[in-house]
Amino acid sequence: DVKVTQSSRYLVKRTGEKVFLECVQDMDHENMFWYRQDPGLGLRLIYFSYDVKMKEKGDIPEGYSVSREKKERFSLILESASTNQTSMYLCASSSPAAVYGYTFGSGTRLTVV
Amino acid sequence: KNQVEQSPQSLIILEGKNCTLQCNYTVSPFSNLRWYKQDTGRGPVSLTIMTFSENTKSNGRYTATLDADTKQSSLHITASQLSDSASYICVVSAKGITGGGNKLTFGTGTQLKVEL
Repeated sequence: DVKVTQSSRYLVKRTGEKVFLECVQDMDHENMFWYRQDPGLGLRLIYFSYDVKMKEKGDIPEGYSVSREKKERFSLILESASTNQTSMYLCASSSPAAVYGYTFGSGTRLTVV
Repeated sequence: KNQVEQSPQSLIILEGKNCTLQCNYTVSPFSNLRWYKQDTGRGPVSLTIMTFSENTKSNGRYTATLDADTKQSSLHITASQLSDSASYICVVSAKGITGGGNKLTFGTGTQLKVEL
């Protein structure tokens, strides 16, 4: 089974801190994604990557950046955390055609105080 | 604008009963539709995936239907169990034009609670 591992289940950070959320997948998937999930809004795409060192903005990239130095790892960076970035963050991966769908990590619940 | 709407927003049923969750979408060009189950505090897990030509797909007690003409899908849960309590998310994929492949549009989910 594909496994997508997010480094932290829960994080509490202070406003203005730089925050790194790490995601690792073990099935050699080309595509990786970062979403945030908020009540009543569903999942919204922040950034995605379809190859090493490649990245594309999703629907809500403002305030975020990403890094993909290795195929298995996709990092989400909050350059200066703000309270409106308090959310559940979900990482996902898929093969190029996503024939078998996306595999999601367990999520990181980030609270910015 | 691509949209996915789910109903009801929340649902409470007794253990052993059946229920049906609805998903209406306006996504173009359509590629496929997936239903995910998300337990509280966890990531979504895929239940079914259907392409344009498929009308019905089952996964154990879960049966999904797709009417591509009316752009509607349903997820039917038979003989519900306490472990079915979760959020059920409908996700519709539009054929992509970039190297990233298809683009997903997520519904906001139906929160199901199964009680004794």
